[in-house]
Amino acid sequence: DAGVIQSPRHEVTEMGQEVTLRCKPISGHNSLFWYRQTMMRGLELLIYFNNNVPIDDSGMPEDRFSAKMPNASFSTLKIQPSEPRDSAVYFCASTLAMGGFEQYFGPGTRLTVT
Amino acid sequence: AQSVAQPEDQVNVAEGNPLTVKCTYSVSGNPYLFWYVQYPNRGLQFLLKYITGDNLVKGSYGFEAEFNKSQTSFHLKKPSALVSDSALYFCAVRDMGSSASKIIFGSGTRLSIRP
Repeated sequence: DAGVIQSPRHEVTEMGQEVTLRCKPISGHNSLFWYRQTMMRGLELLIYFNNNVPIDDSGMPEDRFSAKMPNASFSTLKIQPSEPRDSAVYFCASTLAMGGFEQYFGPGTRLTVT
Repeated sequence: AQSVAQPEDQVNVAEGNPLTVKCTYSVSGNPYLFWYVQYPNRGLQFLLKYITGDNLVKGSYGFEAEFNKSQTSFHLKKPSALVSDSALYFCAVRDMGSSASKIIFGSGTRLSIRP
């Protein structure tokens, strides 16, 4: 099993640019989560999907952030426009809803906005 | 509301000594509890979970955790620490008040094992 795949692994961009982060969950998993991790705020849940449907986006910091899951094997997190305070490591995780509930994390995307 | 607390930001242990990383929880109903480990520049890795059954749960890399209902604790333990165990450890609990698959993470405890 390939595990959760995220791309890119590193992204450096200038303030005001659009950033798109990508995630491929583990095959067969039907819940997908986007997290953000910083030294100051720790690990934060941004949004999660069950069966491709967004369930809770209360963690999305503001309207500049959006997430989609067009099918069971792909999700994107978009920031437009990006700001320096968005610099963080963004993780995607997946699990089988109503299964064991443990989530499996991808390697993360380290985003730096200058 | 469900929550977990990790009272120690940092735990320091000498190699070969036993280690304990503490976690307490607050839930309504029966808890589903988890431990994760994060090595530098990596994603979180699932270590072990408690759902029901034996209070002592065994997981990856020789770790185990003890569920204590009366003390509402789920401490992570290992009999003999290795330098390679140095990492950030997260306790987590299933959020029973939301969709089934959401879990809530603690703030993390940094474990440092000195040679």
